[in-house]
Amino acid sequence: ETGVTQSPTHLIKTRGQQVTLRCSSQSGHNTVSWYQQALGQGPQFIFQYYREEENGRGNFPPRFSGLQFPNYSSELNVNALELDDSALYLCASSPAYTGDNYGYTFGSGTRLTVV
Amino acid sequence: AQTVTQSQPEMSVQEAETVTLSCTYDTSESDYYLFWYKQPPSRQMILVIRQEAYKQQNATENRFSVNFQKAAKSFSLKISDSQLGDAAMYFCAYRVIQGAQKLVFGQGTRLTINP
Repeated sequence: ETGVTQSPTHLIKTRGQQVTLRCSSQSGHNTVSWYQQALGQGPQFIFQYYREEENGRGNFPPRFSGLQFPNYSSELNVNALELDDSALYLCASSPAYTGDNYGYTFGSGTRLTVV
Repeated sequence: AQTVTQSQPEMSVQEAETVTLSCTYDTSESDYYLFWYKQPPSRQMILVIRQEAYKQQNATENRFSVNFQKAAKSFSLKISDSQLGDAAMYFCAYRVIQGAQKLVFGQGTRLTINP
């Protein structure tokens, strides 16, 4: 079974630009969540997608948006990039909306640097 | 709001010895899950161990065990017979059972294994 795949692995963008990060969920998983991990910090929940609908959101502004596709893969879009958006962005998938108690399967993340 | 606190930014242990990582959390929920995740330099979050709050018995996975004190809202991780491959960032995380599968992470503890 395949794990969670994220692309690209690294990205450098200029302040004010827009970025799209991609995530392929693990086979059999229909729920995808995105997390932002600033350097030296724990991950912070951005939002979650289930059956192509956003069904939970953390304390992030609207310029953070997402999509989930019929094959359960997902995109995270960030508009008007700010320097503080520099972070590791982690995608995680799980088997169902209510989840099980096994937690998520995480990808290796995309390291975004905003200059 | 739920919060997770890891009071030890860094810990070190001699190879083959035992180390305990601390975690406390705050919640008004009675039913929830607790997790310990390991994040090596590869950046992928790897589930180490999980605990259901309704279970009084402490979870154990090979060399890893937890001390779950529900009344004290404490969830420490004990690593026995430490190995060089255990070196990583360790994150404690909390999740409610109902609703979106939002994980709330602590700030992490960097564990170093001395040969």
